[in-house]
Amino acid sequence: NAGVTQTPKFRVLKTGQSMTLLCAQDMNHEYMYWYRQDPGMGLRLIHYSVGEGTTAKGEVPDGYNVSRLKKQNFLLGLESAAPSQTSVYFCASTGQTGVNQPQHFGDGTRLSIL
Amino acid sequence: GQNIDQPTEMTATEGAIVQINCTYQTSGFNGLFWYQQHAGEAPTFLSYNVLDGLEEKGRFSSFLSRSKGYSYLLLKELQMKDSASYLCAPARGTYKYIFGTGTRLKVLA
Repeated sequence: NAGVTQTPKFRVLKTGQSMTLLCAQDMNHEYMYWYRQDPGMGLRLIHYSVGEGTTAKGEVPDGYNVSRLKKQNFLLGLESAAPSQTSVYFCASTGQTGVNQPQHFGDGTRLSIL
Repeated sequence: GQNIDQPTEMTATEGAIVQINCTYQTSGFNGLFWYQQHAGEAPTFLSYNVLDGLEEKGRFSSFLSRSKGYSYLLLKELQMKDSASYLCAPARGTYKYIFGTGTRLKVLA
């Protein structure tokens, strides 16, 4: 039972390069999220999706784009990487019910921008 | 972030009891989660409170007072493997969660 899978696990980019982080979940969850985690800042929401074909901005969306073309996948894109985007990126998902559900997290992607 | 306050770091001894407090702004939140995060790993779900009071789950208990914007996580019979960060996460709406910066707990032998 894979749960939430993120690829890649590590990546080093040069300033100005672009890349896409992939998140896949096999739990048929409606909601998916992208967070970044920096020392002393906690988890900050970048973008989220409440269903296939929908996306919305979170707390820190600038410099990132997302797409949810398939229910199981949520992609995070960096159009022109900047050193300030060096961080650990976590994807998470929750099911759709009338009661708050805990988030299931992937193992994270450690991204360094030089 | 978002006016969620937790102590940055706590230290306790193996076998002891530790209480990690979390305070937050009360408006718009309808429940609170606690997550555990070991260094270099993903957060994992520990507990959820939607009503006021104490929820007990083995060695871990969590308390919530919605009117006071206050929660705590109580860890009993501490073990070395409990050394981790503990994240308080009030839930806003049916699917939005705001995470505190976390409390780093060190358990000493």
